This record gives sequence, C-alpha cells and structure tokens, in this order.
Amino acid sequence: DAGVTQSPTHLIKTRGQQVTLRCSPKSGHDTVSWYQQALGQGPQFIFQYYEEEERQRGNFPDRFSGHQFPNYSSELNVNALLLGDSALYLCASSGYRASYTFGSGTRLTVV
Amino acid sequence: AQSVTQLGSHVSVSEGALVLLRCNYSSSVPPYLFWYVQYPNQGLQLLLKYTSAATLVKGINGFEAEFKKSETSFHLTKPSAHMSDAAEYFCAVSERTGTASKLTFGTGTRLQVTL
Repeated sequence: DAGVTQSPTHLIKTRGQQVTLRCSPKSGHDTVSWYQQALGQGPQFIFQYYEEEERQRGNFPDRFSGHQFPNYSSELNVNALLLGDSALYLCASSGYRASYTFGSGTRLTVV
Repeated sequence: AQSVTQLGSHVSVSEGALVLLRCNYSSSVPPYLFWYVQYPNQGLQLLLKYTSAATLVKGINGFEAEFKKSETSFHLTKPSAHMSDAAEYFCAVSERTGTASKLTFGTGTRLQVTL
C-alpha cells in the first residue's frame, strides 16, 4: 500500500518564478495538508484541503495557494518566489479517525 | 492557540543509555499529542500518539511517552539508545477548528548517539 507520494523530490527555482508541488495521498485518505519546514525548524502549517475546498489556512501570504482534485490529490502553488521560500515542503494526508501520514517532502531551493 | 515547547535543541547520549526528550504543551482543551521522528532528507514518521486514553503511550522502536496533565508534559523516553535512533524528533499538538484540524510542532530536538 503506497503511502503519501510527493513530486518532485528536489527543485531549484529563481526569485520571482512560480512553482507547483504535487502530492498523492495515502489510499483511503481524503484530506491533504501542506507544511513548510525551514532549515532547522519544525514544520509550519500552510493549509488543508478537504472535498476540493481549502478548509483551514495558516499564517502564509496569498502567494501560497493550493488545489485538491476529485481523486484527493493536491497541488501547492507558490508565486513570486522569495529566497525565504527555500524549505522542505511536506504533504500529509489523513482520513476519518486516521492519523496523519507524511510524505518525504519536496526540497525547494530559491536562488 | 495551542503550542508545544521542546526543551533542548540538541541531546547527546551514549549507546545503551536512557533517552529523554522533553516536551511541554499549552492547550485550553484536552490535547491530542504526537511524537514524530525525522531522519536526514526524509519526511516525518509517527512514533506514538496520545488521544486521551491511557496516559502511558507505547510507540514504535521501543519509545514511549507519558502524558502528565498536572505538568502539561509529554516527554519521550527510551530505556536504551541505539545508534539508529540518531535523528530529529518533533513533538506536536493537534488543534481543531470546527471540522478541521492541524498539527502545531515544536522546534525539534536533534538526538545524537555516541559509542
């Protein structure tokens, strides 16, 4: 049974560019959450998607947006990239009475 | 808002020694608490979770944690450290808003295991 799959694993972008990160949830999970983990820090909640709608959002600017598809997979989009957006982006899926399962993350480097 | 504080950003123990990683939480409602482990360049793996059942929670790889409401603590322990335990450990609390919930993490504790 596949867990949470994230792509790509690594990405290098230039300041001002836009990036899209992808996440496929664990089988049976219908909720996807995104977290940003800066170097040496704990993960910070970005937002959560359920039934294709953003259900909750953390303290992140509107440059961060997302989408959930009918098959429960999700995308995280970041516009106008800043150097400070360099981080490990983690996707976590969950379901009814099911704990969060995290993917291995996408390492984004902004230069 | 709920929060967690992990005391000690770095902990070093000898192989075979007791591991104790500290976590204190702040919550206005009975919390759900978690410990996760992160190996280099990997995601988070759940070690154990407290969901208001038994206060002593046993997890994977020989780890356990005890929920102490009076001390607002949820410290992680392992009787005998192994070299493979070297990793970053995160304590987290689940915060529910309406039908949604999110995890709030501490800043992490890096565990070093020496021979």
